[in-house]
Amino acid sequence: ETGVTQSPTHLIKTRGQQVTLRCSSQSGHNTVSWYQQALGQGPQFIFQYYREEENGRGNFPPRFSGLQFPNYSSELNVNALELDDSALYLCASSPQGQGPYEQYFGPGTRLTVT
Amino acid sequence: QKEVEQNSGPLSVPEGAIASLNCTYSDRVSQSFFWYRQYSGKSPELIMSIYSNGDKEDGRFTAQLNKASQYVSLLIRDSQPSDSATYLCAVNYAGGTSYGKLTFGQGTILTVHP
Repeated sequence: ETGVTQSPTHLIKTRGQQVTLRCSSQSGHNTVSWYQQALGQGPQFIFQYYREEENGRGNFPPRFSGLQFPNYSSELNVNALELDDSALYLCASSPQGQGPYEQYFGPGTRLTVT
Repeated sequence: QKEVEQNSGPLSVPEGAIASLNCTYSDRVSQSFFWYRQYSGKSPELIMSIYSNGDKEDGRFTAQLNKASQYVSLLIRDSQPSDSATYLCAVNYAGGTSYGKLTFGQGTILTVHP
């Protein structure tokens, strides 16, 4: 069984640029959630995708957007990067419909905005 | 008031002792409760989930849930230095548009010293 994978591992961008982060869900999981974790804080929910549709969104501006593909993999896009976007971005997959919605995290992408 | 609060750390216990980690949550419609372990520089790892009032044991870990008091805890028996990590409490709120959203506490840093 393949776990959740994310790419890239690390990324350095300049303020104002755009970035795309990628995630492949665990085998058998059709739901992907994205979280942002700032240093010393718990993860904050960005949004969730199920059947290629956004299935809930946290308090993040529209410049945070996402996609889910038919193979359940997902992308997180962030436009107009700000310094505060520097964080660990986590993707989690879960087997929607089976409850209790245990979510399993990938290794994360560390984004640094300079 | 924060939605999910964890006991302030860091928590330091001697090897072999019981470590007690506590978490309170504010929303009474919460359905599912999770404990994640996060080693420094790594992503969160699911170690326990609990959905009904009472205790749930898994090896050295026991999760306790009291929905009336809106309280969930994690006990680690026979603590080992390898248990040293940040422990994150997460709550899943039922219904609404963020059906699978996990809300995390800020984490408690546990150090187990030999």
